[in-house]
Amino acid sequence: QSVLTQPPSVSGAPGQRVTISCTGSSSNIGAGYDIHWYQQLPGVAPKLLISGNSNRPSGVPDRFSGSKSGTSASLAISGLQAEDEADYYCQSFDSSLSGYVFGTGTKVTVL
Amino acid sequence: EVQLVESGGGLVQPGGSLRLSCAASGFTFSRYWMYWVRQAPGKGLVWVSRIKTDGSSTSYADSVKGRFTISRDNAKNTLYLQMNSLRAEDTAVYYCAREHLTETAVDNWGQGTLVTVSS
Repeated sequence: QSVLTQPPSVSGAPGQRVTISCTGSSSNIGAGYDIHWYQQLPGVAPKLLISGNSNRPSGVPDRFSGSKSGTSASLAISGLQAEDEADYYCQSFDSSLSGYVFGTGTKVTVL
Repeated sequence: EVQLVESGGGLVQPGGSLRLSCAASGFTFSRYWMYWVRQAPGKGLVWVSRIKTDGSSTSYADSVKGRFTISRDNAKNTLYLQMNSLRAEDTAVYYCAREHLTETAVDNWGQGTLVTVSS
């Protein structure tokens, strides 16, 4: 069981905005460690979506944005598209575990 | 183009051993920290291990500590994961991954290799 908790699923109609939360604690997000987000399409390896809490790597559409506050972080997808249907994971470092952790994962469904 | 190609996966009996390899190309391998991440069938991502650029520092998830060993050969541009005392719960796709040069994010992933632990 991961120390970073995400909702199992979120859904939205095309064009809508959805947000995915990543809830941690004082030993990870709350300690100031960076949060990164990944998108995993069915049957393929994950892809980096957001690094350093809010930075988009080259090639990632600006529809994707990240933020962090306190012991939580969020990924927002605006203008939802059918191709956004995938699993999304947050990742950070946990000082209590002395290791890196991924969130529990969230499946995004486009209605 | 960055390429990470894993090999060495397969079927192994409980208690057995397996060595995964990851051939890296398209970048200066020796400049990057490297990871192994696994994903059990139908489950989420789990960080397994991380190794420093020169191999002098390693870290492991508690679930594999003492059983798995990460290593690298910078002359061969290859990352390894030696897995001993394998258990059924180690069954997963194992991804080789590269850490971003200036952040702790994983910016490139291999295609993964499946390890199945079963009698």
